[in-house]
Amino acid sequence: AQSVSQHNHHVILSEAASLELGCNYSYGGTVNLFWYVQYPGQHLQLLLKYFSGDPLVKGIKGFEAEFIKSKFSFNLRKPSVQWSDTAEYFCAVNAMDSSYKLIFGSGTRLLVRP
Amino acid sequence: EAQVTQNPRYLITVTGKKLTVTCSQNMNHEYMSWYRQDPGLGLRQIYYSMNVEVTDKGDVPEGYKVSRKEKRNFPLILESPSPNQTSLYFCASSSPLAEGLTGELFFGEGSRLTVL
Repeated sequence: AQSVSQHNHHVILSEAASLELGCNYSYGGTVNLFWYVQYPGQHLQLLLKYFSGDPLVKGIKGFEAEFIKSKFSFNLRKPSVQWSDTAEYFCAVNAMDSSYKLIFGSGTRLLVRP
Repeated sequence: EAQVTQNPRYLITVTGKKLTVTCSQNMNHEYMSWYRQDPGLGLRQIYYSMNVEVTDKGDVPEGYKVSRKEKRNFPLILESPSPNQTSLYFCASSSPLAEGLTGELFFGEGSRLTVL
């Protein structure tokens, strides 16, 4: 079965520190990849997505992610985090296997200290 | 404004009392889905629908029913709620990109359900 792994469940950083959140998936075929963010008490919002083309994807609020097909990874990065980035981050994978399923990772809670 | 609307946002109920969580989207999306979010488990898909009168089970469908009589609405029904269905529920919609691909999901605000 397809799965998505987010290895860091909780991350604590100080403002201006760099961020990298890991995401690995298990499907070997064509995939669409997403990162969603959930700010405290809010619903999920799309941060960025990869469908095809340049494997380095830029999203909102200075976030970017790199798709490395050989490693089945789609890690999220931000060079300098802000207190307002405190949120939970979810990686999600849509495998092109006709199931229309979007499989989510278990999430990473990021706390940015001012 | 493009949005997915869920109601109620908060509900406390008792075991066995049937309830329905409504979901409506105004973006003319074909695809709609229900997820539940539990700490440490991320989002797990309950049911999804590719179009009117077409529904399929997700990963955790037990104890839930859905219907898709109209394109914009996708209610989640708990016929006999139990405490293990206490959770945060999200409805989402999208326009599929191609066969099997959901594309970007647009989420509702969430419905926090407590079953005593």
